[in-house]
Amino acid sequence: EAGVTQFPSHSVIEKGQTVTLRCDPISGHDNLYWYRRVMGKEIKFLLHFVKESKQDESGMPNNRFLAERTGGTYSTLKVQPAELEDSGVYFCASSQNYREQYFGPGTRLTVT
Amino acid sequence: GESVGLHLPTLSVQEGDNSIINCAYSNSASDYFIWYKQESGKGPQFIIDIRSNMDKRQGQRVTVLLNKTVKHLSLQIAATQPGDSAVYFCAENMGVSSGSARQLTFGSGTQLTVLP
Repeated sequence: EAGVTQFPSHSVIEKGQTVTLRCDPISGHDNLYWYRRVMGKEIKFLLHFVKESKQDESGMPNNRFLAERTGGTYSTLKVQPAELEDSGVYFCASSQNYREQYFGPGTRLTVT
Repeated sequence: GESVGLHLPTLSVQEGDNSIINCAYSNSASDYFIWYKQESGKGPQFIIDIRSNMDKRQGQRVTVLLNKTVKHLSLQIAATQPGDSAVYFCAENMGVSSGSARQLTFGSGTQLTVLP
């Protein structure tokens, strides 16, 4: 069974540019989560999809972040325009039930 | 606000010794706890979980202890090996008892280093 995949693995962009991160969850997992870890700090929740619907987006920092999950399959997280403080590692996780969340390898975003 | 935190940011142990990583949580409504291991360049990997109606759970070389009275969680690794070197995160969830899938709240992580 393929795990959660994320693309790209690394992205370096300049302040003001746009970046789109992609997450492919484990097939059949209705729940998809985005988290991020800013340097030296804890992993923080961004939002939660159940199928194609946003269940909880309370962790989204501001309206520069837009997440979508077309057809309830893969998800994208767009940052537009990117700011320096957006740098960090963005993780995606998926789960079939209310317990174990499986994490992808993350996308390391560097905004210069 | 509610938070999950770790007592120590780093821990060094000799190969073969037992490791104990601690975690404190403050949300008394949390009913599910998980330990994740994160190696460099990889995402968090599930190690072991425990529900709030238990106080101990054992896996392969790992044991999680939950003390609800003092809101404390620990991860014990027996016979620590070089491959155990990683950052360990505790995380909590709520509403698991009612079957709702929610976000995880993570602690800041402990870097475990296994010395030869």
